[in-house]
Amino acid sequence: DQQVKQNSPSLSVQEGRISILNCDYTNSMFDYFLWYKKYPAEGPTFLISISSIKDKNEDGRFTVFLNKSAKHLSLHIVPSQPGDSAVYFCAATEGGGGNKLTFGTGTQLKVEL
Amino acid sequence: GAGVSQSPSNKVTEKGKDVELRCDPISGHTALYWYRQRLGQGLEFLIYFQGNSAPDKSGLPSDRFSAERTGESVSTLTIQRTQQEDSAVYLCASSLEASGGYREQFFGPGTRLTVL
Repeated sequence: DQQVKQNSPSLSVQEGRISILNCDYTNSMFDYFLWYKKYPAEGPTFLISISSIKDKNEDGRFTVFLNKSAKHLSLHIVPSQPGDSAVYFCAATEGGGGNKLTFGTGTQLKVEL
Repeated sequence: GAGVSQSPSNKVTEKGKDVELRCDPISGHTALYWYRQRLGQGLEFLIYFQGNSAPDKSGLPSDRFSAERTGESVSTLTIQRTQQEDSAVYLCASSLEASGGYREQFFGPGTRLTVL
């Protein structure tokens, strides 16, 4: 049972445009959400996060939006750059759960020149 | 400072053999996690260590899997009598003490295990 879902396995965007990556979850106990970025042959690196008490968090070119009623979050990257090409994982955790993360299956983003 | 390191980077083994994977966390990180990523899937939680507390083993898929941690340093993940479905990238992560709120997890590069 996939509690965190990323339904788009891949996304292609032109440089300078906006990239929007989507994520849905089913577990209403999740209260903290994260996006990780992964390059080939490397471990995932933390990108941005959001607490369930917020609906938006922004960090430079990256913004995460959370819609709790829809159990949906999205990552916006604007403007997209070729170096953003990577696999992006959505993850979630429950408060007091020791911070073990539940991950989605990832979206491969390709930013084209 | 050094990040999380894992060894070996690649391991090919025959079905039925035992394997041991090693993780060296970031110095000072009391929490340590093991995850695995099978082909086409997301990362799957396996086990979590926090200081001297009993580990959270809720993600281990079978009793063939076990893990140990020496104090707040090295951890080893052991898979006995490996099966082909154990083939995956095994990732280790560490963080500062995980109580009282989320702490960023820093991941190692992973060990790619292939069971023939």
